[in-house]
Order: sequence, then C-alpha cells, then structure tokens
Amino acid sequence: GAGVSQSPRYKVTKRGQDVALRCDPISGHVSLYWYRQALGQGPEFLTYFNYEAQQDKSGLPNDRFSAERPEGSISTLTIQRTEQRDSAMYRCASSQGTGGGQETQYFGPGTRLLVL
Amino acid sequence: GEDVEQSLFLSVREGDSSVINCTYTDSSSTYLYWYKQEPGAGLQLLTYIFSNMDMKQDQRLTVLLNKKDKHLSLRIADTQTGDSAIYFCAESNRGFNKFYFGSGTKLNVKP
Repeated sequence: GAGVSQSPRYKVTKRGQDVALRCDPISGHVSLYWYRQALGQGPEFLTYFNYEAQQDKSGLPNDRFSAERPEGSISTLTIQRTEQRDSAMYRCASSQGTGGGQETQYFGPGTRLLVL
Repeated sequence: GEDVEQSLFLSVREGDSSVINCTYTDSSSTYLYWYKQEPGAGLQLLTYIFSNMDMKQDQRLTVLLNKKDKHLSLRIADTQTGDSAIYFCAESNRGFNKFYFGSGTKLNVKP
C-alpha cells in the first residue's frame, strides 16, 4: 500500500476482554515495529519483526501482550485480559531494510485503545 | 534505558524562526531523528542526522548536533501556521532497531 495502515482506528473495550490490533505495513517493507504512546508522551518501543521473525520483544510490558507476523507482512498485536492501564495509542511502523538504526521508520496513524 | 528530553511547549509568531531543543543521554547514539505529529495523523519523518555530522540543512529545516553536550536542535525558518504540531526527537544505535523518543514539543504558531 501507499502507507502504513492500522485497524481499527479506535477501539473501546471492557476490562478483561482480549483485543487484536492490526498493522498493514508498506508493501515490500521487511521490518515492522510496534510502539505504544501514552497521552503526552513519545512512542515507547514494544517489539519488532524482520520478515516473520520477531527479533526483539523486550518492550512488551508483560505476558498479556503478544505479537505475530506469520507471513512477513501484516502483523497483529494482541492484548489479553485488558486492563485500564493498557489504554493508549498503539502505533505501528515499517522500514524497508533489516534495520541497523539507519532505517527510516514510517508510521501508521495508530489505534486508539480505551479500556473501560 | 536511554533518556531523551524535550521542552513541552514552544509558541512563536508566523514568520519567525522556531528552535526546538532535545537532549539525550546515550553516548553511543548513531542516528538522531525529528518527527512531526499532526492531530489524527501518524508520525511523519522530517529529517535525520548521523552522529558524525554537526549540521544538516533541508529547505526551511536546520538540524544542529552537539555530540559533546548530547544536544540536538531543530530550527524551522519562516515558521508557518501549518507547522503547528508536536515535534518528537528520537535516537537509535547502529545495529539496533529500537527508537527512543522524547515526550514531544508542542509548537504553536500564532498568526
């Protein structure tokens, strides 16, 4: 696609429910990143993939959070048993190569998650 | 972890220059970035600078890097109302894919 897309754009859920957030990266981009952005803060790294391999998941807050990218394209971030503190903007980014710090990351519009 | 700090707000008049500042703590930072976030939109990359440079200019944007003081700045010349947004500074290390972002500086441009 022309840019990174994410769905849904807004998600309201009740505490204890599971949610799945989808990211569709720029076509052909090898690397995909997930970030979480609290109100008034900058994005905070969660995890990233090169192709279908999850290279680093050190930013995932706890084991309720997981991510997959089974075919090396679309990725899903899943939050199980949501809690109110999970409420935030979840942003996805993709980059053309395998990284190394110099890769430009292109961000999607984000999914605003609200847990009641 | 790495800390990236920015002032929260900046207000300027249309036509003036804006200077947004950022400090970071990781001395091994290799690339430093400036992103712009407009309401309802994703983060847009404005420019980046490699750590062996001390200045980069791109049209109205000038990035200055003082590696000794770990200080990065973004100067926007002839600031326009369309430049009103939140500007994020970010840094990364060579070989690592994590970006560390500051909290963002909200730029308000008054007509």
